[in-house]
Amino acid sequence: GENVEQHPSTLSVQEGDSAVIKCTYSDSASNYFPWYKQELGKGPQLIIDIRSNVGEKKDQRIAVTLNKTAKHFSLHITETQPEDSAVYFCAATGTSYGKLTFGQGTILTVHP
Amino acid sequence: NAGVTQTPKFQVLKTGQSMTLQCAQDMNHEYMSWYRQDPGMGLRLIHYSVGAGITDQGEVPNGYNVSRSTTEDFPLRLLSAAPSQTSVYFCASSRQASGNTIYFGEGSWLTVV
Repeated sequence: GENVEQHPSTLSVQEGDSAVIKCTYSDSASNYFPWYKQELGKGPQLIIDIRSNVGEKKDQRIAVTLNKTAKHFSLHITETQPEDSAVYFCAATGTSYGKLTFGQGTILTVHP
Repeated sequence: NAGVTQTPKFQVLKTGQSMTLQCAQDMNHEYMSWYRQDPGMGLRLIHYSVGAGITDQGEVPNGYNVSRSTTEDFPLRLLSAAPSQTSVYFCASSRQASGNTIYFGEGSWLTVV
């Protein structure tokens, strides 16, 4: 089955800096890669996703890149703000049915 | 707009007790699933359903049962709770077809003592 590795496990940045979180996956059949943000006491919320026919996608201050050959994808957050502080999860799936394989999560702290 | 609703939010069980975590969605989604979240391990899939009357096992199904009698509801049953089932449980739903957004509920915190 699919295996997703996520790094780093914790990331601390100053407000205004950029943050990058990286994930690798094992199953070359995976074709959908969402990123979720989870705030304390809440469920994961989708912030951006990318499909395997696209190399990069941007949405305001966040972007995701995908390298299918190397089987890795990354989340980039620019101009970070304290409200970006949360746990971020990457995930991958090659099937439908909502069957996601998640990375272990990254605790992002943005210091004012 | 309720989305995915889970109850209860918090529950403490004694070892050996049984209980049901409820999940309901009002988006007419075909797919529903249950995940558990443990520290340092991300979310892991327990069971999923592709439609009413159809369920299947995920990565960590042991100790859990599910059923899907309606499109809206997907309860998760713990038959005989064990301390290893202490976790945060999330229900999720999505429309049919790969790559559609998967929406999560707010979670149910379960402690088994």
